[in-house]
Amino acid sequence: QLQLQESGPGLVKPSETLSLNCTVSSGSVSTGDFYWGWIRQPPGKGLEWIGTIYNDGRTFYNPSLKSRVTMSVDISTFRLSLRLTSVTAADTAVYFCARLGSGFGDLRSWGQGTLVTVSS
Amino acid sequence: QSALTQPASVSGSPGQSITISCTGTRTDIGYYNFVSWYQQYPGKAPQLIIYDATYRPSGVSDRFSGSKSGNTASLTISGLQAEDEADYYCNSFTTSSTVVFGGGTKLTVL
Repeated sequence: QLQLQESGPGLVKPSETLSLNCTVSSGSVSTGDFYWGWIRQPPGKGLEWIGTIYNDGRTFYNPSLKSRVTMSVDISTFRLSLRLTSVTAADTAVYFCARLGSGFGDLRSWGQGTLVTVSS
Repeated sequence: QSALTQPASVSGSPGQSITISCTGTRTDIGYYNFVSWYQQYPGKAPQLIIYDATYRPSGVSDRFSGSKSGNTASLTISGLQAEDEADYYCNSFTTSSTVVFGGGTKLTVL
């Protein structure tokens, strides 16, 4: 069973850049077609899709975040990365990484999530 | 892109069946069968319970079923149990190759 674990700072200052990593265990990242996603959930609110990245590096982002988001994947280290620039309080959320079963939105395996608070 | 529309809350008694709707547009639910449903307990990560509108991942109870008609997808939970009390979310792939979520539905088991 694939396991994912998010990591990164729990506190980011307004206007700065949020950077998170997601480590994938079980060694099944490097073969076949895999698709990865980042999702966030503000406290007490619903889920918001941030973006999807394929193993070949193709990315698809939420239009509302597209100008500020960069996702990447490093197959050699089984690590996914998320960068979100110019953050505001509205970016405060639990951030999840996930593996998709296909490229079409079915989020099969999730990390436990990490809370990122934007505050000075 | 606009969020999919779900009822904010539904409720049912143990043993009953409930249905949660998820309404989109012709550019997401209406175009593809790529609709998924998730169950989320407080403080936990969501868990996939339905994918491709009607399929259950292995290990998910057959009390959960999905359907789709036009721009609306539905999740039905039969034989409601106390442990089903949770938040439920739908999502759909879109014609822009993006993914959109519903606002979530809180299920209360009376």
